[in-house]
Amino acid sequence: ETGVTQSPTHLIKTRGQQVTLRCSSQSGHNTVSWYQQALGQGPQFIFQYYREEENGRGNFPPRFSGLQFPNYSSELNVNALELDDSALYLCASSLGGLAATYEQYFGPGTRLTVT
Amino acid sequence: TQLLEQSPQFLSIQEGENLTVYCNSSSVFSSLQWYRQEPGEGPVLLVTVVTGGEVKKLKRLTFQFGDARKDSSLHITAAQPGDTGLYLCAGANFGNEKLTFGTGTRLTIIP
Repeated sequence: ETGVTQSPTHLIKTRGQQVTLRCSSQSGHNTVSWYQQALGQGPQFIFQYYREEENGRGNFPPRFSGLQFPNYSSELNVNALELDDSALYLCASSLGGLAATYEQYFGPGTRLTVT
Repeated sequence: TQLLEQSPQFLSIQEGENLTVYCNSSSVFSSLQWYRQEPGEGPVLLVTVVTGGEVKKLKRLTFQFGDARKDSSLHITAAQPGDTGLYLCAGANFGNEKLTFGTGTRLTIIP
């Protein structure tokens, strides 16, 4: 069984630029959630994708957007980067739908630094 | 807005001691999960509790879900340096897989 993977591991961008982060979900999972974790804090929910559709969104502006692909992998896109976007971005996969469980399994994260 | 408060925020104890971390909310959750996170890595799921009053044991770790499903505790017996990390509780509600994370407890076990 393959776990959740994320790429890249680290990324440095300049304010105003755009960034795309990628996530491959665990085999057998159809749901991907994205979280932002600032230094010293707990993760904050950005949004969730279930079967290629957005299935819930946290308190993040529209410049945070996402996609889920037919193989359930996912992308997080952030436009017009701001300094406060510097954080660890975590992807979590889970099983949604009728067989849903509460358990989410996290990838290692992408450390984004905006300068 | 559902919030989860963890206490203590920081805890540093000697190897071999016991400790308890608390996770409290004014809201009811369908389930509560505990994760451990090490620097530069993603959170690793330790346990999920779903029934009020439920107690689960994982080796030296004991997890309890409050009767009203608003709070939880994590007790570690005979702490070891390998227990060092950030402990996060997270609540979820049925039909909404969004996890609401607690504020975290940073645990350091001194050899």
